[in-house]
Amino acid sequence: SQQGEEDPQALSIQEGENATMNCSYKTSINNLQWYRQNSGRGLVHLILIRSNEREKHSGRLRVTLDTSKKSSSLLITASRAADTASYFCATTMDSNYQLIWGAGTKLIIKP
Amino acid sequence: DTEVTQTPKHLVMGMTNKKSLKCEQHMGHRAMYWYKQKAKKPPELMFVYSYEKLSINESVPSRFSPECPNSSLLNLHLHALQPEDSALYLCASSTQPGEVRYGYTFGSGTRLTVV
Repeated sequence: SQQGEEDPQALSIQEGENATMNCSYKTSINNLQWYRQNSGRGLVHLILIRSNEREKHSGRLRVTLDTSKKSSSLLITASRAADTASYFCATTMDSNYQLIWGAGTKLIIKP
Repeated sequence: DTEVTQTPKHLVMGMTNKKSLKCEQHMGHRAMYWYKQKAKKPPELMFVYSYEKLSINESVPSRFSPECPNSSLLNLHLHALQPEDSALYLCASSTQPGEVRYGYTFGSGTRLTVV
């Protein structure tokens, strides 16, 4: 079932610029994950942030989590054409380890 | 081997056909999942296998029949599908049920078209 909302639904930026996507959710969570999906193929796990963490970095990715606002953001710095994809957030709750997915953001990087 | 392999990549089938989707992983993961994804939508969970046993069936119609022959293989048997079943079918695995520290590993999916 879908719990989260992501915004924007679509984002188009120039190569080299930073891209920021946001995810909001409705219930208490155990952790929040971000996945990338290229052209309707499989999803690739990017990064996971736990509910007791506020910020996490992995390469050009920076994820923040604000549990008081029930929201997270994914920042991709110095974007590249290869970053063109759909990005989904997914949460898990303590009571249920299933992934609850956001609606996704379609990111287009223009050369 | 750190990947999930799905075959076939594309499948076109008639509404009276019987076909199977296959999924294989050799990472020693003990939880495996089937998801269905429609265009521009997030994945929808269909089935969860935990230690080769079906643990979750998300009210999926009986024309979809999962099977887990062993800890590395997951099949999805298809019979008498409808055109609205056309979608991308994704297989995923995780180290153990409920263990999400490392995320799920997804296959590339099977693009299914029912005609």
